[in-house]
Amino acid sequence: EPEVTQTPSHQVTQMGQEVILRCVPISNHLYFYWYRQILGQKVEFLVSFYNNEISEKSEIFDDQFSVERPDGSNFTLKIRSTKLEDSAMYFCASSLYNTGELFFGEGSRLTVL
Amino acid sequence: AQTVTQSQPEMSVQEAETVTLSCTYDTSESDYYLFWYKQPPSRQMILVIRQEAYKQQNATENRFSVNFQKAAKSFSLKISDSQLGDAAMYFCALRAGADGLTFGKGTHLIIQP
Repeated sequence: EPEVTQTPSHQVTQMGQEVILRCVPISNHLYFYWYRQILGQKVEFLVSFYNNEISEKSEIFDDQFSVERPDGSNFTLKIRSTKLEDSAMYFCASSLYNTGELFFGEGSRLTVL
Repeated sequence: AQTVTQSQPEMSVQEAETVTLSCTYDTSESDYYLFWYKQPPSRQMILVIRQEAYKQQNATENRFSVNFQKAAKSFSLKISDSQLGDAAMYFCALRAGADGLTFGKGTHLIIQP
């Protein structure tokens, strides 16, 4: 069964460092998303991406965040200068349509020290 | 803006018994979808059940069913014959328009053997 895959599963970084989280969405899906979940809190929307551009972003997704689909298969989230409060689980998701369910990856846990 | 409220941070049920998880939501859209996702510890979110708002019939998937009350904006999940493998965080989610999902804070379901 097709699935969304994410790497790395866990990354530890120093505050101020750049981090890239990678995702391979389901191959025929057209809509891509990043969510984050701070430990013990709810899942929060970061950004949605369609047709090689951002279609929607939340207030969390400020200038230190960027997304890219560099090669038609990977979908990356870059955090330019990490802060302590960026420590969270980051989930990538994809969907075929802009309605209906999203399919989630297993998440990348980011720890900022 | 959409909101999803789960008022039960934690629920406990005896194995083989039935449990109902509550969810209320708010949206100004007339066309939307509702979902329950299950998140086992340190694992990805898995779709349990979905409901299209235009459908009056409550969705059912094996032991899982919903009570969709559109006028009351309520979307509860009933799990029948609870099994140990049902233990997880359960998130209610809403998708309205072309954006991604809005999640509730989640309900931690404990299954007592």
